[in-house]
Amino acid sequence: DAKTTQPTSMDCAEGRAANLPCNHSTISGNEYVYWYRQIHSQGPQYIIHGLKNNETNEMASLIITEDRKSSTLILPHATLRDTAVYYCIVQSQANAGKSTFGDGTTLTVKP
Amino acid sequence: GAVVSQHPSWVICKSGTSVKIECRSLDFQATTMFWYRQFPKQSLMLMATSNEGSKATYEQGVEKDKFLINHASLTLSTLTVTSAHPEDSSFYICSARDMTVNTEAFFGQGTRLTVV
Repeated sequence: DAKTTQPTSMDCAEGRAANLPCNHSTISGNEYVYWYRQIHSQGPQYIIHGLKNNETNEMASLIITEDRKSSTLILPHATLRDTAVYYCIVQSQANAGKSTFGDGTTLTVKP
Repeated sequence: GAVVSQHPSWVICKSGTSVKIECRSLDFQATTMFWYRQFPKQSLMLMATSNEGSKATYEQGVEKDKFLINHASLTLSTLTVTSAHPEDSSFYICSARDMTVNTEAFFGQGTRLTVV
């Protein structure tokens, strides 16, 4: 699986959009970008994943650059409940679930 | 999303005893389940991968005789920590996916194990 780089921490004001970047310059053609988040003392929660097109669901949007070397997870209207560690993982569909978790980004949403 | 349930949510046991943790997929068939361990202020580390009806595949450095994994049905996998010691105290998390349908895995809520 390709390695990812994320900022250690970010702050966001409640109600504003939270944009979490992820670099994955060594991504292979068959690898997807997955995002999970982990709220304190809970199991990770799946957020979204994509291959090359931008994706949107009820939780977030995923923007993948044209060269696929980086992506951004967007939480459109962050709430205090979105405070968590966000993990960006790059892997093939065949390996989905068998994940290498990095340190992720600790997002703190402030009132 | 699909639901994966772990039981118990937390457990305290004495050194030398064994503890069993259950992981159930409630609304889908989990052809593959994964077990992770997370120490305080660290990220998740994959321990093993299990496919229904076959032996688990352990990651390097994980003792298969200490962490017994059984995946006897498409909805249940168990992790037994045998002869637990204080250094086994950790947050154990399972995830599950249906290899025939889904492309993402869903995680359980985790089990906090404390060995005293």
